[in-house]
Amino acid sequence: EAQVTQNPRYLITVTGKKLTVTCSQNMNHEYMSWYRQDPGLGLRQIYYSMNVEVTDKGDVPEGYKVSRKEKRNFPLILESPSPNQTSLYFCASRRRSDNEQFFGPGTRLTVL
Amino acid sequence: GENVEQHPSTLSVQEGDSAVIKCTYSDSASNYFPWYKQELGKRPQLIIDIRSNVGEKKDQRIAVTLNKTAKHFSLHITETQPEDSAVYFCAARGMNYGGSQGNLIFGKGTKLSVKP
Repeated sequence: EAQVTQNPRYLITVTGKKLTVTCSQNMNHEYMSWYRQDPGLGLRQIYYSMNVEVTDKGDVPEGYKVSRKEKRNFPLILESPSPNQTSLYFCASRRRSDNEQFFGPGTRLTVL
Repeated sequence: GENVEQHPSTLSVQEGDSAVIKCTYSDSASNYFPWYKQELGKRPQLIIDIRSNVGEKKDQRIAVTLNKTAKHFSLHITETQPEDSAVYFCAARGMNYGGSQGNLIFGKGTKLSVKP
């Protein structure tokens, strides 16, 4: 089944404890991105990647890192999480030549 | 860069009535306009999209219209049903320098409630 997966789905952590949220797609999509969703603010892009080893900042990149060592994986790294990073995170992917974007199931992160 | 405004933020309708959600965008080079539906606790799902060379697109009870001159596009849902209750997001995508497709910029969302 063609899909985008994320892990973990739920995470409660403490300020300063490094964490990684994984994202994987099995559709051979070139383009992947990370969004955060906050009430009243919609979906805001954190980082995106056009292909392996090609990443760029989105609208709200501060406090986040990403890497794209393989085409199928695009992990989101929070080196030192803070409470303002408490949010719902979505990974998404699409074929570079297509418009339709597929979202993962989301990761709800709480930073205490 | 692109900016997308979406209105209203909440919308309540009676079952069977129509619902209209409107979005405006700022970048005249934007050429792709999708609408996503997000049910509570779930991921956004594409429900309909339109490209800039088309003025209207319909799929059963939902339709999208695009006015390029005014830089706005709208989602129309007819004969609403309780299962249409969700948050709806519009988005717009333009082109990067160099001609590649740009990123999707989302509106802030509209919470639609359909009352039985």
